[in-house]
Amino acid sequence: GESVGLHLPTLSVQEGDNSIINCAYSNSASDYFIWYKQESGKGPQFIIDIRSNMDKRQGQRVTVLLNKTVKHLSLQIAATQPGDSAVYFCAEEGALSGTASKLTFGTGTRLQVTL
Amino acid sequence: NAGVMQNPRHLVRRRGQEARLRCSPMKGHSHVYWYRQLPEEGLKFMVYLQKENIIDESGMPKERFSAEFPKEGPSILRIQQVVRGDSAAYFCASSPASGREYFGPGTRLTVT
Repeated sequence: GESVGLHLPTLSVQEGDNSIINCAYSNSASDYFIWYKQESGKGPQFIIDIRSNMDKRQGQRVTVLLNKTVKHLSLQIAATQPGDSAVYFCAEEGALSGTASKLTFGTGTRLQVTL
Repeated sequence: NAGVMQNPRHLVRRRGQEARLRCSPMKGHSHVYWYRQLPEEGLKFMVYLQKENIIDESGMPKERFSAEFPKEGPSILRIQQVVRGDSAAYFCASSPASGREYFGPGTRLTVT
């Protein structure tokens, strides 16, 4: 079946370095992807999103890259800070009837920022 | 503008009891989604509702689970005769008619 998955379950990065978190998806018909950050004991927090008609989108310290050829998504965090430590999920929006859609989440990557 | 609210934040139930989880969407949002998260896993879709209607319940277990979103009041996820395997974090999200989902803080259900 269709799925969204991540390559690395845990990523350790030194403070100040850049982080790259990867995600593979299998549904080539997907047209909307979102990255969420989840801190311990909290709900997912939106970071950045991208539609399939784009290959790159930048936010504040974060960049999402989409490679539709190999169905790969990545999240880049510049100058990683201790507050970036969390689990990061990519999610794919699956179409339902109507305009709103449910999300299919990957299993997550834990980002650990070391001092 | 208050975010998505869920209560209780923590719920402990003995096997066989009922669990009721509540979700108040963000103001102006008419779409509600429920997700379940097991430890160290991603969120799994359960059900999508609009006011008084279930749009998609493809992720809901066939038995013991039900959801509603009445015309007035919060959305309710109800689990009857809970078992230990129901222990998880349950997240609610809401969205406007077209737009991204905003998540609540979750309810952590523990079945003893």
